[in-house]
Amino acid sequence: NAGVTQTPKFRVLKTGQSMTLLCAQDMNHEYMYWYRQDPGMGLRLIHYSVGEGTTAKGEVPDGYNVSRLKKQNFLLGLESAAPSQTSVYFCASSYSDRQPYEQYFGPGTRLTVT
Amino acid sequence: ELKVEQNPLFLSMQEGKNYTIYCNYSTTSDRLYWYRQDPGKSLESLFVLLSNGAVKQEGRLMASLDTKARLSTLHITAAVHDLSATYFCAVVVSGSARQLTFGSGTQLTVLP
Repeated sequence: NAGVTQTPKFRVLKTGQSMTLLCAQDMNHEYMYWYRQDPGMGLRLIHYSVGEGTTAKGEVPDGYNVSRLKKQNFLLGLESAAPSQTSVYFCASSYSDRQPYEQYFGPGTRLTVT
Repeated sequence: ELKVEQNPLFLSMQEGKNYTIYCNYSTTSDRLYWYRQDPGKSLESLFVLLSNGAVKQEGRLMASLDTKARLSTLHITAAVHDLSATYFCAVVVSGSARQLTFGSGTQLTVLP
């Protein structure tokens, strides 16, 4: 039982390049989330999904797109990376119907945009 | 818009001492979480507080929730070096997906 995994762990992009971050969970969770963490700050929600085929915007969605084609996977895309997107990205997942609705976090992806 | 404020942001304390971290939030919420993060690592769940007056303890850490005051506290008793980490509180945004809004974190350093 791997829990929540993220690929890749590290990535360096040049401004304007694109990339996709993959989050996978094997706990059959309905809800999945993408957060970013900047130095000295808490996590901020980028996008989330309440089920396969559904996505919604969080607090800081600009410059990102997401897709949830399979229940176990949640992809985060950067179409044209900018230095302001340098951050650590965390994925999380949770059940929709089991208390206490705890979110389980992946190990993170450290992205640098130069 | 839900705002979550933690204080202090930085805390340096001696081993064996007690201290409290505070988490204030701005609107009604039905649950609050505390997480621990070690440098370069992911978030580890510590406590989930589900109701007014809830108190949970694990080892040297005790968390409580006062929903009327919109305040949670994380109390550290007789600190040890292994507790050095960043601690975050997070509050559920009322909504369909239970999105979390995080505080900025409290970076705790326990000195020998």
